[in-house]
Amino acid sequence: EVQLVESGGGLVKPGGSLRLSCTASGFTFSNAWMSWVRQVPGKGLEWVGRIKSKSDGGTADFAAPVKGRFSLSRDDSKNTMFLQVNSLKTEDTGVYYCSTEKKDSNGWYFRAFDYWGRGTLVAVSS
Amino acid sequence: EIVLTQSPGTLSLSPGERATLSCRASHSVSSSYLAWYQQRLGQPPRLLIYAASTRATGIPDRFSGSGSGTDFTLTISRLEPEDFAVYYCQQYGSSFFSLFTFGGGTKVEFK
Repeated sequence: EVQLVESGGGLVKPGGSLRLSCTASGFTFSNAWMSWVRQVPGKGLEWVGRIKSKSDGGTADFAAPVKGRFSLSRDDSKNTMFLQVNSLKTEDTGVYYCSTEKKDSNGWYFRAFDYWGRGTLVAVSS
Repeated sequence: EIVLTQSPGTLSLSPGERATLSCRASHSVSSSYLAWYQQRLGQPPRLLIYAASTRATGIPDRFSGSGSGTDFTLTISRLEPEDFAVYYCQQYGSSFFSLFTFGGGTKVEFK
């Protein structure tokens, strides 16, 4: 069974930093492209960033609002992805979900998110 | 940047009725990269449909997706009590602003 468990959220002041983790099980993590999607409670979904598998280059992409402030890394030996969030703003408040990008057996990516964790809450407030 | 506009914002229906949800894109979207999600209260989103019309694993056949270009539709043929939730469409398209964008959501509520 696929499981994604996020951790590391909390209350932080504007300008502060956090390191979010997403620990995976039930699939071959090293082959997966992983994303973070956030949601202000009661509002819609916003994609934050994605990191590819190392075999596909291991590169990361980010949404414009977080580019330059957020970074992604992964430790395949621990089946864990990390989101480093710096220079936090009040508008970064939300539940941060990690998710997997759907891929078929031929390696084709459908650019949709097929598994999701339950999320970790980041609250930015003075 | 491609903007996805979902309508209506809220759909008030009864169990057994048909629900038709719309997702309109500001520019043409590849059908291969259009997805729909369901989010129940207090839960993470769940993938329902990908590639515009393919049901994800375990999704009942009362859910169907259709459309192309700028107009996409999610249809729930007969609403079950567990289908009352918020539904989001999502597209992928390389852009400066964001690789992935979501629509604002349609809430399907009990009438």
